[in-house]
Amino acid sequence: AQTVTQSQPEMSVQEAETVTLSCTYDTSESDYYLFWYKQPPSRQMILVIRQEAYKQQNATENRFSVNFQKAAKSFSLKISDSQLGDAAMYFCAYRSPITGNQFYFGTGTSLTVIP
Amino acid sequence: GAVVSQHPSWVICKSGTSVKIECRSLDFQATTMFWYRQFPKQSLMLMATSNEGSKATYEQGVEKDKFLINHASLTLSTLTVTSAHPEDSSFYICSAQRPGGGYEQYFGPGTRLTVT
Repeated sequence: AQTVTQSQPEMSVQEAETVTLSCTYDTSESDYYLFWYKQPPSRQMILVIRQEAYKQQNATENRFSVNFQKAAKSFSLKISDSQLGDAAMYFCAYRSPITGNQFYFGTGTSLTVIP
Repeated sequence: GAVVSQHPSWVICKSGTSVKIECRSLDFQATTMFWYRQFPKQSLMLMATSNEGSKATYEQGVEKDKFLINHASLTLSTLTVTSAHPEDSSFYICSAQRPGGGYEQYFGPGTRLTVT
C-alpha cells in the first residue's frame, strides 16, 4: 500500500490569514493523482483540490492552492484568506489507476480557524 | 456533481446480529465501489474494492466472512457486517467510481454503526 504522511495533527490560523498544510507520500508509480479532502463534523468527505501527477502546474481552486513537488513527493495545501467555514479535518490522499484507484489517506490535520 | 447515497445514516444493533449498509450511485453507473472504515479521530482505511458482478477484493487484515460485500447492480453495493461486535462500531464510508477517463470518484455521506 502507498504511504501518505501528514505530520501536522493540528493547525490553527487566524481568520483572513494564510495557512499551509503539509503532506508527503511514497510511491514508485508514475501515473497517480493527489487530493486534499475536507471532512467537517458532518463527516461528509468534500473534495477541496486535485492534482494530476503528470501536470507540472500547481492546481488552484479559488482560495485553495497546492505546492506539488513531484521529485520530493510533497503535496502541500495553502489556504488563503481563511474563513471560519474552513475549520475541519483535512486529509491528503493518493490514488493511482495502476493499483486499482482506491484512495490512500493520510492521518489528517485538524484545522482550527480563530475569529 | 454526482451523488452517492448511503442507507442507513446511523444504525444501532445488538452484539451478535448482522446489519446491512447500502451504497447507491444515484445519477451514474458505478462498476467499481470502495468501502472504507473510519474510527473516531482517525483516518479512512480501505476495507475492500467492490466490482459489479464479481467478488470483492479485501485489504489485508479485513475478514471477508465478517464483512460481506455484494455489488449486484451498477448502482448498488452493500456491506453486511455479520455477527457484529462492539469493536465493529465505526463510521463506514463508500465511494463510487464513475466510468471513463479520469476515474472520478464520489463519496457517500457515511454510516455510523454502533454495536451494543
